[in-house]
Amino acid sequence: ELKVEQNPLFLSMQEGKNYTIYCNYSTTSDRLYWYRQDPGKSLESLFVLLSNGAVKQEGRLMASLDTKARLSTLHITAAVHDLSATYFCAGPSHNNNDMRFGAGTRLTVKP
Amino acid sequence: NAGVTQTPKFQVLKTGQSMTLQCAQDMNHNSMYWYRQDPGMGLRLIYYSASEGTTDKGEVPNGYNVSRLNKREFSLRLESAAPSQTSVYFCASRFGQLHLATNEKLFFGSGTQLSVL
Repeated sequence: ELKVEQNPLFLSMQEGKNYTIYCNYSTTSDRLYWYRQDPGKSLESLFVLLSNGAVKQEGRLMASLDTKARLSTLHITAAVHDLSATYFCAGPSHNNNDMRFGAGTRLTVKP
Repeated sequence: NAGVTQTPKFQVLKTGQSMTLQCAQDMNHNSMYWYRQDPGMGLRLIYYSASEGTTDKGEVPNGYNVSRLNKREFSLRLESAAPSQTSVYFCASRFGQLHLATNEKLFFGSGTQLSVL
């Protein structure tokens, strides 16, 4: 069964700085998902990465997928306070009927 | 458009009590899911339903039962609550049945925070 590991689990950064969240997964997968969860709120889809080398960007967030390395990254450029949230990566289960999630990265952006 | 609606939002139970968490979606989705979220462990799948009348176990089904009442509704029941079931519970849905289609994603409800004392 797919195992998803994220690091770091906690990230405190200053506004204006750049950082990368890493997501490693255990078995071959042709897709990877990123979700955002604001405190006390539900999860919202950020990106769906569908192939090796896929890159998607929205605002200050850019996600990429390397299926050979079983690695996805979420890069944050010039962080702002509004990006403070928990970010989850997920992959399809072995039977492709559901998603398996990582533990999440709690990002705090400080002024 | 309501999306995925969960009730209640908060609940406190005593050990041994029972309760049912309700979930309904108005997006004509076929597949529905129940996840629990615990600190440091992400979301873990409890049960899912690929269509009306079918349910399957996920990673952590023990202590729970589910009912897919119709296409819209998927309930989660705790027959005898235990402190280990203190968690935040999320219901989710998607249009497809069975295999996740390319570019398909899950839509989540707002969650139920459950405490078992």
